[in-house]
Amino acid sequence: KQEVTQIPAALSVPEGENLVLNCSFTDSAIYNLQWFRQDPGKGLTSLLLIQSSQREQTSGRLNASLDKSSGRSTLYIAASQPGDSATYLCAARGYSTLTFGKGTMLLVSP
Amino acid sequence: DAGITQSPRHKVTETGTPVTLRCHQTENHRYMYWYRQDPGHGLRLIHYSYGVKDTDKGEVSDGYSVSRSKTEDFLLTLESATSSQTSVYFCAISVEDPGANVLTFGAGSRLTVL
Repeated sequence: KQEVTQIPAALSVPEGENLVLNCSFTDSAIYNLQWFRQDPGKGLTSLLLIQSSQREQTSGRLNASLDKSSGRSTLYIAASQPGDSATYLCAARGYSTLTFGKGTMLLVSP
Repeated sequence: DAGITQSPRHKVTETGTPVTLRCHQTENHRYMYWYRQDPGHGLRLIHYSYGVKDTDKGEVSDGYSVSRSKTEDFLLTLESATSSQTSVYFCAISVEDPGANVLTFGAGSRLTVL
């Protein structure tokens, strides 16, 4: 059974810092890995999807990497802003399942 | 949450009553999913559908049933609600499963069972 772990569970940084969120998964037989953002009381918004054959994906200030062999993905946020405050979740896609981590709650203070 | 509408967004009910949550999409996507989100557990799959009248169980399907009579609608029914089913329920859609396609979520339905 796939297990997905996100570290840290919570992170507080001052505005402008570059930061890294970590996601690890136990079964490397995945089709892709997806990063989501969730604002309080809202649904999930997809940020980046990395195919199993890819090493990284970039969107604006966000960069996600994938190392299948070690079962790890990272989400890099450059020059963080207060508007980046949210919970970030990763999800590993298997054949018929999508397993979520419990998320990292990020607070960026002005 | 363009293309996905969940209803009701909030519901309070009593133990033992049936409850139906509706997910409506305008994207004509083949796959639809129901998840529940609970503190300490994250998101867990309840049921999913891969076409009209084609459904399958997820990780936490006990106490839930689903129906999909039209491409655009996926209903989640709690046959006899219990307090353990108090949760936030999310519907999601995707074009293919498994595959490269992004999973898109609705805004959620918060259910409280007293």
